[in-house]
Amino acid sequence: DAGITQSPRHKVTETGTPVTLRCHQTENHRYMYWYRQDPGHGLRLIHYSYGVKDTDKGEVSDGYSVSRSKTEDFLLTLESATSSQTSVYFCAISELAGGGELFFGEGSRLTVL
Amino acid sequence: TQLLEQSPQFLSIQEGENLTVYCNSSSVFSSLQWYRQEPGEGPVLLVTVVTGGEVKKLKRLTFQFGDARKDSSLHITAAQPGDTGLYLCAGASPSNTGKLIFGQGTTLQVKP
Repeated sequence: DAGITQSPRHKVTETGTPVTLRCHQTENHRYMYWYRQDPGHGLRLIHYSYGVKDTDKGEVSDGYSVSRSKTEDFLLTLESATSSQTSVYFCAISELAGGGELFFGEGSRLTVL
Repeated sequence: TQLLEQSPQFLSIQEGENLTVYCNSSSVFSSLQWYRQEPGEGPVLLVTVVTGGEVKKLKRLTFQFGDARKDSSLHITAAQPGDTGLYLCAGASPSNTGKLIFGQGTTLQVKP
């Protein structure tokens, strides 16, 4: 199994509070992704990174920011959490762009009350 | 915006039956992947198809990429309870931006 660790795995927070989810990899893969998964929507890309300090927006990036200061870590931040951001968040890594296999973490379940 | 439509969204069948899941788009993809996800875990890659018309087999699972590279199908023969899970298709943009677009997923339940 690819070495991907997400933390925290579960979090309950209140509307308006900041939240940071961490993704740590030990595979030295260049590409890292944050997806959210909601019933009926599959996986939707929030942000992705193609190298240290190189990030770009996905299809549902509003309300989220990311940072990648080291190859192994990709942080997802919700500056002011809203109930619509209640979801399961998955980090993924890939060695190749555009069609390379994605290896996923186990997910972080976030509940915003 | 590229979209992938999967159908059906839910499928409940008896062990031994055959089934087909479809993944359709109006856009062309450079490749298409199928993932399977079990509850509480992340998706795991089953197969990648790259060439239009390509057919790949993985035991009882048959994957096909449409000739125009806009659609794909997953056919399972003689389904077993162990096939139960969420099946996701994902398409790679020809622009090679590094992004994969996922379909909504098909939840399959195979009853013994």
